[in-house]
Amino acid sequence: QKEVEQDPGPLSVPEGAIVSLNCTYSNSAFQYFMWYRQYSRKGPELLMYTYSSGNKEDGRFTAQVDKSSKYISLFIRDSQPSDSATYLCAMSGVSGTYKYIFGTGTRLKVLA
Amino acid sequence: NAGVTQTPKFRILKIGQSMTLQCAQDMNHNYMYWYRQDPGMGLKLIYYSVGAGITDKGEVPNGYNVSRSTTEDFPLRLELAAPSQTSVYFCASSTTGGATGAFFGQGTRLTVV
Repeated sequence: QKEVEQDPGPLSVPEGAIVSLNCTYSNSAFQYFMWYRQYSRKGPELLMYTYSSGNKEDGRFTAQVDKSSKYISLFIRDSQPSDSATYLCAMSGVSGTYKYIFGTGTRLKVLA
Repeated sequence: NAGVTQTPKFRILKIGQSMTLQCAQDMNHNYMYWYRQDPGMGLKLIYYSVGAGITDKGEVPNGYNVSRSTTEDFPLRLELAAPSQTSVYFCASSTTGGATGAFFGQGTRLTVV
C-alpha cells in the first residue's frame, strides 16, 4: 500500500464549477499537509499548507484535513481555465524525519 | 530573489557518462531536497540535506551522489548514467524541514540514450 494515494484523473469540469481534489494516507504519524500546483513542464508551486484537522481558506482555495479518516481535500471555487494543471498533495512531519511524501497528482482540466 | 535555480534545464547523456545537476537557493534555507518525477509516478525523493555537511538518502538513491558544502548549493551527481535515470529532476528547499512546504526549482529534463 502506498503511503499517499491520489486519483490521477484527468478530472474535467466546466468553468465556474467547484472542484474537489482528494488524497488518502496510511501513516497516522503525518502532521503537516500541503497542496502543490504543477503546470506542464514546470516545477511544483506551493499552494497551501496546514497542520491541524479542519479547514484553511486562501482566496478561492480551501484545504481540509480529517486526521481521523486520514483524508485531505483541496476545494477550488469558481474554477478558471488557468487552474488547469496537475495538483499534488504532500505530507510530512513524521518524528525525526524532514521528508515530504507526495501523491502521484491529479490532472485537472477546466473547460471554458 | 531568484528562489531555487537549477541548471541545466535539459541534457542528453549517453549510457555510462556522468554529470552533475546544479541546484542553488538564495533563501538561506537549511533543508534541501532532490526529487525525480516520472510520468504517473509522482515525486520520488533521491537525497536530502538538513544543513551544510549533512546529507541522507531518500527512497531512490542508487546511482546518485550528493554533497552539501554550503547552505546555498546542493549538487546531484549521476555516475555511469543508465536509461532508467531518464527523468525530470527537481531540487527543492525548505526553511522548516517539513512544516510549511518546500519551494521547487523549474527542473532538469534528463534523457539517457
